[in-house]
Amino acid sequence: ELKVEQNPLFLSMQEGKNYTIYCNYSTTSDRLYWYRQDPGKSLESLFVLLSNGAVKQEGRLMASLDTKARLSTLHITAAVHDLSATYFCAGLANNNDMRFGAGTRLTVKP
Amino acid sequence: DADVTQTPRNRITKTGKRIMLECSQTKGHDRMYWYRQDPGLGLRLIYYSFDVKDINKGEISDGYSVSRQAQAKFSLSLESAIPNQTALYFCATSDPPGGSTDTQYFGPGTRLTVL
Repeated sequence: ELKVEQNPLFLSMQEGKNYTIYCNYSTTSDRLYWYRQDPGKSLESLFVLLSNGAVKQEGRLMASLDTKARLSTLHITAAVHDLSATYFCAGLANNNDMRFGAGTRLTVKP
Repeated sequence: DADVTQTPRNRITKTGKRIMLECSQTKGHDRMYWYRQDPGLGLRLIYYSFDVKDINKGEISDGYSVSRQAQAKFSLSLESAIPNQTALYFCATSDPPGGSTDTQYFGPGTRLTVL
């Protein structure tokens, strides 16, 4: 059974700083997804990582996938307040159902 | 207009009542999903449907049932609501993995409170 663990669960950082959110998964996953959720809102797709070594970047966010280590990372560069949100990673189990991590609540302070 | 809509957006009900949450989509996707979100637990899959005739249980299906009335509509029912079903419920849709838009698209959510 696919299990997805994120850390940290809570992250408070200052504007301008860099940080990485980690996503470990327990068994083979065909692909790895990252989503963003603003308070009281729905989930918005950020990245889909399809293969080992995949790297995708959008603005100050960069996601990578290491299938051998069963690890994906979401790196935040020079954080700004607008990045404050909860970030979820999710893997796709063999039966095509998606398993989510618990989420990382990011707060970026001035 | 939103591509994935959910009704109602908020619902307060009492223990033992039957509740139906509805989801409609205009994205033309065959695959639809129901999740619940609880604080600190992320999203957990309740049921999913790959087409009108294909419905599957997810991670936490006990106490729930679904109906896929059409490609665009997927309803979630709580036959006899209980307080620990208080949660935020999301509907989502997708193409099959590997398609041109390989992700799930989420509705705005339904906040359900069972007293």
